[in-house]
Amino acid sequence: KNEVEQSPQNLTAQEGEFITINCSYSVGISALHWLQQHPGGGIVSLFMLSSGKKKHGRLIATINIQEKHSSLHITASHPRDSAVYICAAKIPPTSGSRLTFGEGTQLTVNP
Amino acid sequence: NAGVTQTPKFRVLKTGQSMTLLCAQDMNHEYMYWYRQDPGMGLRLIHYSVGEGTTAKGEVPDGYNVSRLKKQNFLLGLESAAPSQTSVYFCASSYSAAPGYTFGSGTRLTVV
Repeated sequence: KNEVEQSPQNLTAQEGEFITINCSYSVGISALHWLQQHPGGGIVSLFMLSSGKKKHGRLIATINIQEKHSSLHITASHPRDSAVYICAAKIPPTSGSRLTFGEGTQLTVNP
Repeated sequence: NAGVTQTPKFRVLKTGQSMTLLCAQDMNHEYMYWYRQDPGMGLRLIHYSVGEGTTAKGEVPDGYNVSRLKKQNFLLGLESAAPSQTSVYFCASSYSAAPGYTFGSGTRLTVV
């Protein structure tokens, strides 16, 4: 069983919908990252969280340390949001800031 | 542009051939990483480095070697390629104290 799990694996939405992607982890972590991977493969870091909530534009990330759960929300979704979203956790003891990755959520937003 | 540059972007190898993937970063990051990405699996760490002249094994190091002779460069070598090494390889770098990660654009390797 992977220490970091995401759900759903695939998500299809209509433009304008509110989207939630979930990430749960089974061990204590020191930080959690949300990443975006577009078709063509490049990976971009969206957020790094150790507590609470962060917002950037239409993207919101939250984390609940006690429940070992994080969510990524996209408000007013748009077709350009179509991508794979990946959560990754820094699980101590971890030298070198290594991350353990979830399998990713493939999001498709239709016009 | 500042960032992480991987070369080559695509490569096809025959079983048993060798090759080196180059990762270069110009952000003065201390830490560098090589990951592989396979369908249905999350990115998995192959090797990493916490500074010039140092390397360490990750989750899936077998069949790979690395070197970090200069702070800005992290090389991943395949001495004798196998079809199981067909994958997309990503390099990444980060500061030691700050949390942000920067990824390269990936190298798609096919071993036939």
